[in-house]
Amino acid sequence: EDQVTQSPEALRLQEGESSSLNCSYTVSGLRGLFWYRQDPGKGPEFLFTLYSAGEEKEKERLKATLTKKESFLHITAPKPEDSATYLCAVSYNNNDMRFGAGTRLTVKP
Amino acid sequence: EAQVTQNPRYLITVTGKKLTVTCSQNMNHEYMSWYRQDPGLGLRQIYYSMNVEVTDKGDVPEGYKVSRKEKRNFPLILESPSPNQTSLYFCASSLRGFINEKLFFGSGTQLSVL
Repeated sequence: EDQVTQSPEALRLQEGESSSLNCSYTVSGLRGLFWYRQDPGKGPEFLFTLYSAGEEKEKERLKATLTKKESFLHITAPKPEDSATYLCAVSYNNNDMRFGAGTRLTVKP
Repeated sequence: EAQVTQNPRYLITVTGKKLTVTCSQNMNHEYMSWYRQDPGLGLRQIYYSMNVEVTDKGDVPEGYKVSRKEKRNFPLILESPSPNQTSLYFCASSLRGFINEKLFFGSGTQLSVL
């Protein structure tokens, strides 16, 4: 069965404590893997798209990587404003897309 | 400002009372879609539209209807809402599709069906 699984469900960090969020997928014919950020009361906001294993993208304190089975969102020296839910989504085949359930990140000052 | 606008933000209704949630985008996007978000389940696609007058079912279309008569608008219709349709709904759009393109989301509509 096609699945996208994010872990952990929730993560609490101290400001400056680096960590990683995981998105594992079991789909065939990967077309793209997307990371979104969702703040409370708002819609998801696009962060990155990765298309092939080995690809990496960075934006400020965030770095996304992709392998054939999973993607990591690395957060370096996080700040309280990085607190949000991070969603990953996988597009595959010609017309399919699956979202993970998200990781709720809390960064304490 | 480029945006996807949903209305209303909050809606409380009773079982069986027809309702419409509106969605409009000002980016001239061809692709629009509706998702519902439930705790622990992630976003699930309800319906999508690749262009005017073209709509297709997503993963959870039962109990919903959509129409795409104009490029900018994509309303979601619940003709006889039931409590299991209580959820947070998002409209999204992109230039041509969702396979290789990022989605722009609205701010969401929290629906409660009593």
